[in-house]
Amino acid sequence: TQTVSQSDAHVTVFEGDSVELRCNYSYGGSIYLSWYIQHHGHGLQFLLKYYSGNPVVQGVNGFEAEFSKSDSSFHLRKASVHWSDSAVYFCAVRVNYAQGLTFGLGTRVSVFP
Amino acid sequence: DPKIIQKPKYLVAVTGSEKILICEQYLGHNAMYWYRQSAKKPLEFMFSYSYQKLMDNQTASSRFQPQSSKKNHLDLQITALKPDDSATYFCASSPHPGANSDYTFGSGTRLLVI
Repeated sequence: TQTVSQSDAHVTVFEGDSVELRCNYSYGGSIYLSWYIQHHGHGLQFLLKYYSGNPVVQGVNGFEAEFSKSDSSFHLRKASVHWSDSAVYFCAVRVNYAQGLTFGLGTRVSVFP
Repeated sequence: DPKIIQKPKYLVAVTGSEKILICEQYLGHNAMYWYRQSAKKPLEFMFSYSYQKLMDNQTASSRFQPQSSKKNHLDLQITALKPDDSATYFCASSPHPGANSDYTFGSGTRLLVI
């Protein structure tokens, strides 16, 4: 079975700062990785994904993530955060078309002005 | 306009009762899913349906039964409700059931069992 680890439960940053959210997974085969954002009281919104090809993928609102097979990681980054980026961010993996996504516990990002 | 409609948004139920959570998607997707989000736990995959057929069931309890009356509907019937069933239940869909297919989530039904 696959697992997803998000090492930071809560990250606090100021507007304009950069942020990196860490995601590590455990699975030996082909894997589909994605990040989702959940604003308070809302459902999850897709940010970006990696399946193959260029290990650095661009998402919406200036987010990007980099896949590393050697580190089993898929960290999410943003160069300059905005207050509206305050939310919970979930990393997810999927290994079989018949299964659902396996999510990490999430990282809450608080952006202060 | 919301692309995935979940009803109701909030639901309070008595222990032992039965409830149905509604999900409709208007994205033309062929795969639909149910997830559960409980406090202090990761979002948990429950069911996947593709072309109205059950593809995967990761829910141990038979008290949870998905129902697909139409291609764009996947309701969730929960019987003999317990307080531990209290959670937010999210419906999701994707264009196809393939591993690289992007998900769209609904805004959830928050269930409280008392």
